[in-house]
Amino acid sequence: QKEVEQNSGPLSVPEGAIASLNCTYSDRGSQSFFWYRQYSGKSPELIMFIYSNGDKEDGRFTAQLNKASQYVSLLIRDSQPSDSATYLCAVLDSNYQLIWGAGTKLIIKP
Amino acid sequence: GAVVSQHPSRVICKSGTSVKIECRSLDFQATTMFWYRQFPKQSLMLMATSNEGSKATYEQGVEKDKFLINHASLTLSTLTVTSAHPEDSSFYICSASAGRRYGYTFGSGTRLTVV
Repeated sequence: QKEVEQNSGPLSVPEGAIASLNCTYSDRGSQSFFWYRQYSGKSPELIMFIYSNGDKEDGRFTAQLNKASQYVSLLIRDSQPSDSATYLCAVLDSNYQLIWGAGTKLIIKP
Repeated sequence: GAVVSQHPSRVICKSGTSVKIECRSLDFQATTMFWYRQFPKQSLMLMATSNEGSKATYEQGVEKDKFLINHASLTLSTLTVTSAHPEDSSFYICSASAGRRYGYTFGSGTRLTVV
């Protein structure tokens, strides 16, 4: 059973600090990795995706991928209350199936 | 960017009736579309994967005769919940992909309430 694991949280971070979200996956042949943000009652929205080892930065967001250790993380700099949401990690596995983590609830405290 | 339009956003129907949900890719051709269901405070659950012009592939435990999926064109997929019951009340979300290495774009979701 291919799995994507996330800590369900909630993860509480002070406003202005760095929020660090982690995700591990079991399929070593996984291809691409996605981070989505989902507000309560809304559909997920794509934040970033990454498919090469290393870091990928987009504004306040940085995705980090380590294929050897099979984890992908999302860093949010200068956290704001509007970043409070559930963050979903999704992994495109070796069979090109998208496997979802259960999500981490992030709370940014003013 | 890729936009997926989903309608209706909310629907309330009586038990035993059928409801159709539409999912359209507005600015790209979606070779594959996915249908998810999400219950409150739970993660996304994939129901089925549809490829344009072929039959949908349903996940284990999802009744294909109850959840009819049609993907007749590269820009439109529909999900019909037949003979809906209160336990079918959920948030249904479609997602479309333009290819393997691109992000998956979600529709805005449909909140179905069966009374």
